[in-house]
Amino acid sequence: GESVGLHLPTLSVQEGDNSIINCAYSNSASDYFIWYKQESGKGPQFIIDIRSNMDKRQGQRVTVLLNKTVKHLSLQIAATQPGDSAVYFCAEINYGQNFVFGPGTRLSVLP
Amino acid sequence: DTEVTQTPKHLVMGMTNKKSLKCEQHMGHRAMYWYKQKAKKPPELMFVYSYEKLSINESVPSRFSPECPNSSLLNLHLHALQPEDSALYLCASNLGPGTDTQYFGPGTRLTVL
Repeated sequence: GESVGLHLPTLSVQEGDNSIINCAYSNSASDYFIWYKQESGKGPQFIIDIRSNMDKRQGQRVTVLLNKTVKHLSLQIAATQPGDSAVYFCAEINYGQNFVFGPGTRLSVLP
Repeated sequence: DTEVTQTPKHLVMGMTNKKSLKCEQHMGHRAMYWYKQKAKKPPELMFVYSYEKLSINESVPSRFSPECPNSSLLNLHLHALQPEDSALYLCASNLGPGTDTQYFGPGTRLTVL
């Protein structure tokens, strides 16, 4: 399940299950969105991106969904593996401006 | 070459020391960034260089001094830091501000004693 509190929100899933990580963005003018994965002690790693003229994009085991009406972005990971355990950040970009990162969600994969 | 490199990986310094962080990329990117990341928080933008010129300084204290010697290199000079400056310092690059995804280096873990 998902918990939100003083600490980083955490999503715990069983290995092999699908994961859904959510992100609410703030700027309705943002036109480009990215999901990053950050493992402990490492820099953020690009996973997948989507432009505002799309509502869905698929990669290998990952899908990003964009709902501009409610300013919501989600990352779906199929058949979650232990190596998927990390903190996931969404980022929104308004053309010509800079990245605004979301607060992050820690994904914990249970054996 | 599709990576951003940062040195050193770890740095411990006293409040009176002067040190520098280094970042390098050979992807032909013309924008380079410094971020500061505290534990359990997202990266916070500090500086943006576009075509080797400082374009954004997010109200960062003067004890942090960026430098971009050429389009592949980015330095962050540190002087008289405070313990609260301890953090992971990330460098990133892309084709230009707001144009596409930023590629991040592994970061320098800085501890100020």
